[in-house]
Amino acid sequence: AQSVTQPDIHITVSEGASLELRCNYSYGATPYLFWYVQSPGQGLQLLLKYFSGDTLVQGIKGFEAEFKRSQSSFNLRKPSVHWSDAAEYFCAVGQANTGTASKLTFGTGTRLQVTL
Amino acid sequence: ETGVTQSPTHLIKTRGQQVTLRCSSQSGHNTVSWYQQALGQGPQFIFQYYREEENGRGNFPPRFSGLQFPNYSSELNVNALELDDSALYLCASSTGLLYEQYFGPGTRLTVT
Repeated sequence: AQSVTQPDIHITVSEGASLELRCNYSYGATPYLFWYVQSPGQGLQLLLKYFSGDTLVQGIKGFEAEFKRSQSSFNLRKPSVHWSDAAEYFCAVGQANTGTASKLTFGTGTRLQVTL
Repeated sequence: ETGVTQSPTHLIKTRGQQVTLRCSSQSGHNTVSWYQQALGQGPQFIFQYYREEENGRGNFPPRFSGLQFPNYSSELNVNALELDDSALYLCASSTGLLYEQYFGPGTRLTVT
């Protein structure tokens, strides 16, 4: 069964500092990978996705992520964090072997706090 | 373009009761998935509907059931509510099985 691990439950960074959120997945083939962001009491907003091709993907709000097959990782990065980036971030994997990007398995999330 | 909408926003029910949650998919989307997000956890996949047919189910008991209508809107029904059913229920839609999903704001269900 597929699974997603987000090792960091809570991360605090200063505004303007760089950010990297870790995500490791367990899956038997090349997965569909996603990062979503959730503000308190809200639904999830898609930041970026990886289906195939270039392993460095660009998303909204200045985020990017890199797929590393050898490490089973899909880490999210941002060069300079803004206070408005404070939220919960979820990594998710879809079922590529069934051609279903939309049955997602989520990690437990990383809460990002931004200090001014 | 209207995004995914869900109703109601909040709901309080008593253990043993039944509840129906509603979701309107984004325009042009024929696939709807439902997720349960307990407090402090990531969303858990409940089931998915594609063109009005159930297309996969997660590890949830049969008292969780659903429907998708010809306009691709969807309902989630939960019978015999239990305290552990208290959660944020998220609906997501996509243009097909191979495409990314867009989430609604969720329905917060509290079971007392």
